[in-house]
Amino acid sequence: AQRVTQPEKLLSVFKGAPVELKCNYSYSGSPELFWYVQYSRQRLQLLLRHISRESIKGFTADLNKGETSFHLKKPFAQEEDSAMYYCALSGRGSYIPTFGRGTSLIVHP
Amino acid sequence: GAVVSQHPSWVICKSGTSVKIECRSLDFQATTMFWYRQFPKQSLMLMATSNEGSKATYEQGVEKDKFLINHASLTLSTLTVTSAHPEDSSFYICSAQIQGAGNQPQHFGDGTRLSIL
Repeated sequence: AQRVTQPEKLLSVFKGAPVELKCNYSYSGSPELFWYVQYSRQRLQLLLRHISRESIKGFTADLNKGETSFHLKKPFAQEEDSAMYYCALSGRGSYIPTFGRGTSLIVHP
Repeated sequence: GAVVSQHPSWVICKSGTSVKIECRSLDFQATTMFWYRQFPKQSLMLMATSNEGSKATYEQGVEKDKFLINHASLTLSTLTVTSAHPEDSSFYICSAQIQGAGNQPQHFGDGTRLSIL
């Protein structure tokens, strides 16, 4: 069974502080990991995926197979980063995604 | 690109009414669409996977006779909540994957807020 754990329900930081949103997964094969973001009153949208290995809006996430983690990081948080962030996993050969419960990020001025 | 339109965005109706929610991929073809339910301040709960031209696959605990899913074309899936009751009140979200190789990212609709009186 595939499972995604986001241990923090809420993460509160000040503008300019580093941010790390944690995501751990459980999957027996090779997973594909995604981060989705939902800004206030907007739809869920893809932020980044691990196979792209790119930085979006200053965010990066590295897949660590040893620790089964895919933490989302940003060195300097901005107020506009305040949103709900969901980590998601799809297994190779099984495209049905599994979402974590989400972490609400609040960036204070 | 990759826009998903979900309609209606808000429904208020009496108990016992059936409600249909539409999910359309506007600029791409979607072999697979997903229907989620989201409770306040909780994560997305996958209800079912909608496959074009075949029966939907329901997650455990989701009543297929209660939540009817039809995916008649590559751009449209519908979710009908039959004989809705107050406990069915929730936020329903659809998503679609671009046709092609699996594990494509999801493209989400805006969601439908269903309130049953």
